[in-house]
Amino acid sequence: DTGVSQDPRHKITKRGQNVTFRCDPISEHNRLYWYRQTLGQGPEFLTYFQNEAQLEKSRLLSDRFSAERPKGSFSTLEIQRTEQGDSAMYLCASSFARAFTDTQYFGPGTRLTVL
Amino acid sequence: AQKITQTQPGMFVQEKEAVTLDCTYDTSDQSYGLFWYKQPSSGEMIFLIYQGSYDEQNATEGRYSLNFQKARKSANLVISASQLGDSAMYFCAMRGGGGKLIFGQGTELSVKP
Repeated sequence: DTGVSQDPRHKITKRGQNVTFRCDPISEHNRLYWYRQTLGQGPEFLTYFQNEAQLEKSRLLSDRFSAERPKGSFSTLEIQRTEQGDSAMYLCASSFARAFTDTQYFGPGTRLTVL
Repeated sequence: AQKITQTQPGMFVQEKEAVTLDCTYDTSDQSYGLFWYKQPSSGEMIFLIYQGSYDEQNATEGRYSLNFQKARKSANLVISASQLGDSAMYFCAMRGGGGKLIFGQGTELSVKP
């Protein structure tokens, strides 16, 4: 069984540009989460989907951020008009929700650098 | 609000010795889950171990065990027989509402040969 994959692994962009990241979860997992991790900190929750429905968005997710999971499989996270403060590692995780014990498995992350 | 606190920014351990990484948590929920993840320098978060709040036994997974003390709200990770490959950041996390994870600041473990 393949794990969670993310693409690209690294992205360097100029301030003001738009970027899009992709996450492919473990195939049978119905939940998909996005987190952001800045240097020296633990990951912070951004948003999550159950199947194709986006069920929760963090206050960290400004209007410049949008996420989709159109067919309940892969997900994309888009950042419009990037700012230097957006530089971080963006982590995707997936799980199969059952009762209270679903474990989230993470992908390798996309490291974004905004110049 | 739920919170995870890891008070050890960095730890050193000699190869083959055991080490304990501290984690305390705060929640008003009766039912919750606690996790430990390892993050090597490559960046990927690797799941290590899970403890449910109603689990009576401390969780174990190979060389990893979780010392769960519910009354003290602590969930310390014990790594036995440390190996050089254990050098990494370790994060304690709690499942919050909706299933999202709330992470601590992490502890950087260095294993010395």
